[in-house]
Formats: sequence, structure tokens, C-alpha cells
Amino acid sequence: QVQLHESGPGLVKPSGTVSLTCDVSGASISSSHWWSWVRQSPGKGLEWIAEVFHLGNTNYNPSLKNRVAISVDRTKNQFSLRLTSVTAADTAVYFCTRVVMTTVTRYFEAWGQGTLLNVST
Amino acid sequence: DIQLTQSPSSLSASVGDSVTITCRATQSISHFLNWYQQRPGKAPQILIYAASTLQGGVPSRFSGSGTGTDFALTITSLQPEDFATYYCQQSYGTTWTFGQGTNVEI
Repeated sequence: QVQLHESGPGLVKPSGTVSLTCDVSGASISSSHWWSWVRQSPGKGLEWIAEVFHLGNTNYNPSLKNRVAISVDRTKNQFSLRLTSVTAADTAVYFCTRVVMTTVTRYFEAWGQGTLLNVST
Repeated sequence: DIQLTQSPSSLSASVGDSVTITCRATQSISHFLNWYQQRPGKAPQILIYAASTLQGGVPSRFSGSGTGTDFALTITSLQPEDFATYYCQQSYGTTWTFGQGTNVEI
């Protein structure tokens, strides 16, 4: 059974850059699944951020596209999210997920427990 | 972006009750609608995908219906562990979006 575990700095200053990592266990990141980041904040609810396939294919939420980058490290069986120019609006719990994506269905099948990112001075 | 509106935002129910939550999309999304359950302090969990297909391991008291723009999640015979927040999510467009959530409370 796949397990995902997020890690990050917890606290970052406004205008800074943050990297979040998702360690995948119980499955290969080079499988047929896509891998995604979703965040949850009190003000904006659940928000999909980006997704990546192990071959490097990516998709981004247009509202964040200019500030985010998602990547995969197949040697470490993990994927990461880099977010630049952060503001208080980026304060949220960030979840990494495994995505089922076929021609007839697409959904977030498995989730990590989430990592809280607080943007504050 | 395709917007999803859930109704109601919250509801009160008792163990054994049946409840229905609706989700309306701003444009047709065919059957690309999923439902998640989130308990306090936990990550969301998939309940139903493709509008009406029950995820493995999810109790049969959960069911989903709808196509196009109007969808529903029904929970029959509510159990104590069902008191949680429920979200719909569309995966039709290139930007996936969620509804605002429905809190099912006692």
C-alpha cells in the first residue's frame, strides 16, 4: 500500500522561496501514476497546485504557474514542490497525493498527512 | 476555471439518518466528478470517483449519482464515523477544482 509523507521547513518569511518534499513508499514513483500537490487553507479551501509524471511531464494551476515548480527524483522515490515569492496567502497545509489518471477517470487516490507551511515574519 | 458549488454548506443529522449533498458545476463535466471525506486533522480520502463508482473499501451506504452539471452524494444510515466534511472535486478541465465542502455534524 502506497504511503506518502510530506516534509518542509514549517515557517518561511514573506517573499522567500520554499521547497516541499514528498517521500513515496510502498510504490514506485516510476509507475503509471501521476503525482500531485494540493493545499488547504481556511480562506481558499482545497486548491490543486500541480502534478508531475515520472518522465517529467507537468501540469500547473494557472493561478500559481508563475511561482511554482514540481519535479521528480526517481533515485530517491520522491517528488518536490518549489514555491517562490511566498505571501501570507500561501499559508496552508500542503498535501502530496497519488493520482489515478485514465481516459475515463481521474482522482486523488492516496494522500499524505500534510505539512503546514506558515508564511510569517 | 470550472467552479463547483456544494449544498448545503453544513447540515445536522443523527445516527441512522440518510443525507444527500449536492454539487453543481458551472459547465458540463460529464462524469468527471469525485467525492472525498475529510475528518478533522486528517487528509481527505476518496469515497467515490467518476460520479458513481465506489472506491474499494468504502462502505456501500455511500453512493454517488449525476452527470453533466448536477451531482449528488447520498449517505444512508449515517454512522458515527461519517460525521465529517465532504468535498466534491472535478477533473474535467485542465485545472482541477474542489467544492467548498459540506460539514455533516450531529
